[in-house]
Amino acid sequence: DGGITQSPKYLFRKEGQNVTLSCEQNLNHDAMYWYRQDPGQGLRLIYYSQIVNDFQKGDIAEGYSVSREKKESFPLTVTSAQKNPTAFYLCASGQGSEQYFGPGTRLTVT
Amino acid sequence: AQSVAQPEDQVNVAEGNPLTVKCTYSVSGNPYLFWYVQYPNRGLQFLLKYITGDNLVKGSYGFEAEFNKSQTSFHLKKPSALVSDSALYFCAVPYSSASKIIFGSGTRLSIRP
Repeated sequence: DGGITQSPKYLFRKEGQNVTLSCEQNLNHDAMYWYRQDPGQGLRLIYYSQIVNDFQKGDIAEGYSVSREKKESFPLTVTSAQKNPTAFYLCASGQGSEQYFGPGTRLTVT
Repeated sequence: AQSVAQPEDQVNVAEGNPLTVKCTYSVSGNPYLFWYVQYPNRGLQFLLKYITGDNLVKGSYGFEAEFNKSQTSFHLKKPSALVSDSALYFCAVPYSSASKIIFGSGTRLSIRP
């Protein structure tokens, strides 16, 4: 999983609560990404950031928010507006077109 | 628009046999193509990439991939499968800009002893 850490590994929340997933990298990469993976499915891009203090929506940004105040950190907040938040969340960083992934956070909302 | 397709949801192979995981692509311009592997409850790991040059690309864990321009394919191969190769495999292609990557839907490879 390289130099990317995600915490926690498992996260449980009650419906209606916001929750923030952590992602830190020490690879000195400019770009960082958040993906969502549902059981048996591929990856869907939530948000990405190519540089500090800038980020763009991916394919499924509704109900999520991010910040990029430091190069090393790209936290993802799953808000109560996200209708189906239970999923496996993967963070990645990249230089050029190659990406390096963290170990993931499995979020369960009940 | 850039895209990749993995036509098989699951591939089953006996240990010691050769394996192939299929990927076809549609890109404008010269293709950059990637394979990633995901073990259970883990992030994706980079296996190999094709940028230019030799059509046969060698990667990690004994895997290789064959780029075929006429068939627009980039199949992942290994001469002799191991049980530990059982995982989810993704083919991927970058967007034309913004350093984003488009992933295929994934193929679950199951190697039986």
